Amino acid sequence: AQKVTQAQTEISVVEKEDVTLDCVYETRDTTYYLFWYKQPPSGELVFLIRRNSFDEQNEISGRYSWNFQKSTSSFNFTITASQVVDSAVYFCALSEAVYSGGGADGLTFGKGTHLIIQP
Amino acid sequence: DSGVTQTPKHLITATGQRVTLRCSPRSGDLSVYWYQQSLDQGLQFLIQYYNGEERAKGNILERFSAQQFPDLHSELNLSSLELGDSALYFCASSRSGRAQETQYFGPGTRLLVL
Repeated sequence: AQKVTQAQTEISVVEKEDVTLDCVYETRDTTYYLFWYKQPPSGELVFLIRRNSFDEQNEISGRYSWNFQKSTSSFNFTITASQVVDSAVYFCALSEAVYSGGGADGLTFGKGTHLIIQP
Repeated sequence: DSGVTQTPKHLITATGQRVTLRCSPRSGDLSVYWYQQSLDQGLQFLIQYYNGEERAKGNILERFSAQQFPDLHSELNLSSLELGDSALYFCASSRSGRAQETQYFGPGTRLLVL
């Protein structure tokens, strides 16, 4: 069965430091999709990125970057020059395709990493 | 703003009661998902609907049920409530419910069972 592990429960850094959030996944599918969501203190879940299993190119969006490595089943998220507004809980999630007939059985989420950026 | 709306924002009720949570998907989205977020279980998928039909079930209790109406809004019914049902309930929507699509989440309904 699919599983997502975010081993870092909480990370605290000082503003302007770089920080990497780890995500390791398990899946029986060859076709799958990985996501990152941000949950700020206000509580909503904000979509950050989607990546499919066939695309191992790293992605950069401003201060955010993602490193996808199939060989280690990891999809790590790095924030460069962190800011106080980055403080939130970050979730990594997995969606499988083949075993759900191309549909979606819902996302499997990790437990989340609580990121605290101190001024 | 994701475009997904949920009502009410907060709900306080007593054990044994029944409540209904409501969700309206983003314009054009046909699929609706329900998730429960609790401290001990984390974020868990409950159930998915596509164009009015149930498509997938996750860890949904028998005391819980859902439906999607012709106008595509969805309701999650929670009955015989227990203290452990206190949680944040999210609705999400996607275009056609396929695995590769991004699910956009509503602001959630925070349920407190006393």
